[in-house]
Amino acid sequence: DTGVSQDPRHKITKRGQNVTFRCDPISEHNRLYWYRQTLGQGPEFLTYFQNEAQLEKSRLLSDRFSAERPKGSFSTLEIQRTEQGDSAMYLCASSQKGGGYGYTFGSGTRLTVV
Amino acid sequence: KQEVTQIPAALSVPEGENLVLNCSFTDSAIYNLQWFRQDPGKGLTSLLLIQSSQREQTSGRLNASLDKSSGRSTLYIAASQPGDSATYLCAYNAGNMLTFGGGTRLMVKP
Repeated sequence: DTGVSQDPRHKITKRGQNVTFRCDPISEHNRLYWYRQTLGQGPEFLTYFQNEAQLEKSRLLSDRFSAERPKGSFSTLEIQRTEQGDSAMYLCASSQKGGGYGYTFGSGTRLTVV
Repeated sequence: KQEVTQIPAALSVPEGENLVLNCSFTDSAIYNLQWFRQDPGKGLTSLLLIQSSQREQTSGRLNASLDKSSGRSTLYIAASQPGDSATYLCAYNAGNMLTFGGGTRLMVKP
């Protein structure tokens, strides 16, 4: 297992376009998390899945954002009608249930909305 | 709102110095606390994980301590090197997610 993989690494999009990011977690991990990080700040929680169930969503996750994990393996995060304020690093992490053995993060997807 | 504060926000030191990075948190019901390193434009690399029942963890030149009762953790870096230059983030796990501090940006000058 090569860890948590995220694709793409970078995405530049025009305001108003839709974008989708993918995350492949560590295969033995049943929890998958999405975080957003803006420049100079720590990551902020967006949502998490346990297997295919989305168990918690932050109020940061507006109705333009949707995340799925259809088969309990990889996950996608879609942003509709992107705004300049959506420009950030989107980080994915995975853990075994409860995170008792820690969280493993991917390399992130850098989104720039122009 | 549960918060994590990291002090200092930025630090610049000459090579060879020993450093202490501080992290304080308000949630007393933590399961564990994790320290991460982040290079510019990159993802997070886990450095140390301390369970709530532990007092400290060591890995090479890094030592992290945890005082759950006072809501404090420190990351000690011995004999700093230019390659240690990065942002260091602490985050606690209270069961469903990690809550992060704003990070300490470290620059080690040759």
